[in-house]
Formats: sequence, C-alpha cells, structure tokens
Amino acid sequence: DTAVSQTPKYLVTQMGNDKSIKCEQNLGHDTMYWYKQDSKKFLKIMFSYNNKELIINETVPNRFSPKSPDKAHLNLHINSLELGDSAVYFCASSQKVAAALFLDTQYFGPGTRLTVL
Amino acid sequence: AQSVAQPEDQVNVAEGNPLTVKCTYSVSGNPYLFWYVQYPNRGLQFLLKYITGDNLVKGSYGFEAEFNKSQTSFHLKKPSALVSDSALYFCAVRDSGTYKYIFGTGTRLKVLA
Repeated sequence: DTAVSQTPKYLVTQMGNDKSIKCEQNLGHDTMYWYKQDSKKFLKIMFSYNNKELIINETVPNRFSPKSPDKAHLNLHINSLELGDSAVYFCASSQKVAAALFLDTQYFGPGTRLTVL
Repeated sequence: AQSVAQPEDQVNVAEGNPLTVKCTYSVSGNPYLFWYVQYPNRGLQFLLKYITGDNLVKGSYGFEAEFNKSQTSFHLKKPSALVSDSALYFCAVRDSGTYKYIFGTGTRLKVLA
C-alpha cells in the first residue's frame, strides 16, 4: 500500500551518463514534485507538475528534464551527469484543494540516492 | 520573497523534558506553515500544518506548533520528548500567492536517554 514510490533507491553512475529516476503515487493526487537534498540536508524544490502540466520550474540546469506521462507518474531524466548532481532526490505529491491553491500536505517518497563518480 | 529560517542546527534534550524546535518565516502574503520530520534514510513525513484558524496546531506523535504572527514564528513543541523523536525536522512555508514551498535548513533533534 505504498503511497509514493521511487525507483531506484540507489543509483551509482559515471560522469557523463544519462539516467532516469521514476516516481509513482497511488493517492489520486493532482500535483507531484521533485526535490533535491544535498549533503548538508538542504531541501530545494526542482519541479512541480499539476495534472501533467509543469507549474514550477526552478533554476535547474537544462540537463534535468521531468516527464509526466499521467498524473500518477513524474519521472526525472538527467543528461550528462556531473559530480555536483550527487544528492538524494525526493518525489512528493499533494492533493489540490481548490483552484490554484495547493494547501494540502505533501507526501514524500523514500528518496533516491544518486552518486556520480 | 518567501523564506524560512531554522536558527539551530541541532537541539539536544533529555528524554521526558519538553522540546522546542524553532522556525521563523518571511512571506508577502498569508503564510501556510508546515512541519515535516525525516528519519535516517527515509523520506519526509508530515507532522502538522497551519493554514488558518487556531494559532495552536496539534499534529502527529504528540507534537504541536504555535503560529505567532507578530513574531513571524512557528515553533514546534512537545511536552515530553522521547528517544524515538530523534530525527531531522524541517519547517516549510508557502506564501498564499504562490505554488512553491520553501523548506528550512533542518534542525537535528537528539533526545538523550
């Protein structure tokens, strides 16, 4: 009965490679997010999608591209991986309460620890 | 611009004692405030939130937080700490006029037996 799941849990790869992290939520939520948590535990939002539409796109390099095939999935594809991309990436989802308002709780996935060598 | 500050990197408290984890915020509109907890190698879990209404909000695991508009604070409290409360705690804020949540830098709580 997992609410927000991410795969893989760990990802170790070489610089320059392209990799994807998948996220799925079975909560029926409209909105999904990607966060990056660095080694100092700082948590920063990267992207947010509502019903497959991009609504937040922070100053993230173009190498990062989110893809939402449907509202239950938000995948993160990273091209040309760099050492600085090493972090834990968290997916989250929330339910839209009213038009243009996102008041409800975010539910987080378990995280994907990405290590770039 | 919205921001949130957690001034303490770490808080140590003896088991059974009351605990406080501090959070202050800055927004241009009305604040929506949240507390999340992160256990080792886990995702964040929701504890409680303030949207409107009573300033004292009660949440999961016996935690509560008080919204103080004049001091722009939303400190997390618990009357009696447990060793199992040891974790990383994040305060988050969303300005009513935006979609974006801003998280604080986190406070590590250590409850000593």
